[in-house]
Amino acid sequence: SQQGEEDPQALSIQEGENATMNCSYKTSINNLQWYRQNSGRGLVHLILIRSNEREKHSGRLRVTLDTSKKSSSLLITASRAADTASYFCATDSQAGTALIFGKGTTLSVSS
Amino acid sequence: KAGVTQTPRYLIKTRGQQVTLSCSPISGHRSVSWYQQTPGQGLQFLFEYFSETQRNKGNFPGRFSGRQFSNSRSEMNVSTLELGDSALYLCASSPRTGLVHEQFFGPGTRLTVL
Repeated sequence: SQQGEEDPQALSIQEGENATMNCSYKTSINNLQWYRQNSGRGLVHLILIRSNEREKHSGRLRVTLDTSKKSSSLLITASRAADTASYFCATDSQAGTALIFGKGTTLSVSS
Repeated sequence: KAGVTQTPRYLIKTRGQQVTLSCSPISGHRSVSWYQQTPGQGLQFLFEYFSETQRNKGNFPGRFSGRQFSNSRSEMNVSTLELGDSALYLCASSPRTGLVHEQFFGPGTRLTVL
């Protein structure tokens, strides 16, 4: 079953613009992670935010977490063509040993 | 360190056959998880192994099984293949125990069932 649901499903922007993706989840979590997947290949971990954190930065990435609304957002600033990929949020399951992924946001950055 | 490796990368099978996929985790990682990715269902957790023991299992039929060896390498097996088993199978390793932390994914094995 899906825990996280990303919004929008697809996003097209120009190079240099910012991209914002949102994720909502259903049950309480210990942490939330964001992953990137390029064209049907393996996933790459981007950032992890713990349930007691509200915001986290990593390079051009900024993640926020609102546990009261059960939602998170991923902001990619100054997008590049190389950022074209699918982005997934993932939360831990109640058992704590598995990741539950949303269906992802497909980002297309054109030059 | 070398990343997570998966073999084979591509596989074509016919209905009713069985298949075994292999995963070698990052050196030192003792946790290995498997995920199935399809266009319709997205990424779904199959199972996780730690120190040769299955710690958690997703909602998949018994045709899907796995194991982990003493060197942390893992295999998953799917018996009596169905068309719906066509998917990208991803393996991920993690260095941590207890609560989930970041996972490092391999490139995946793309299985096509004809």
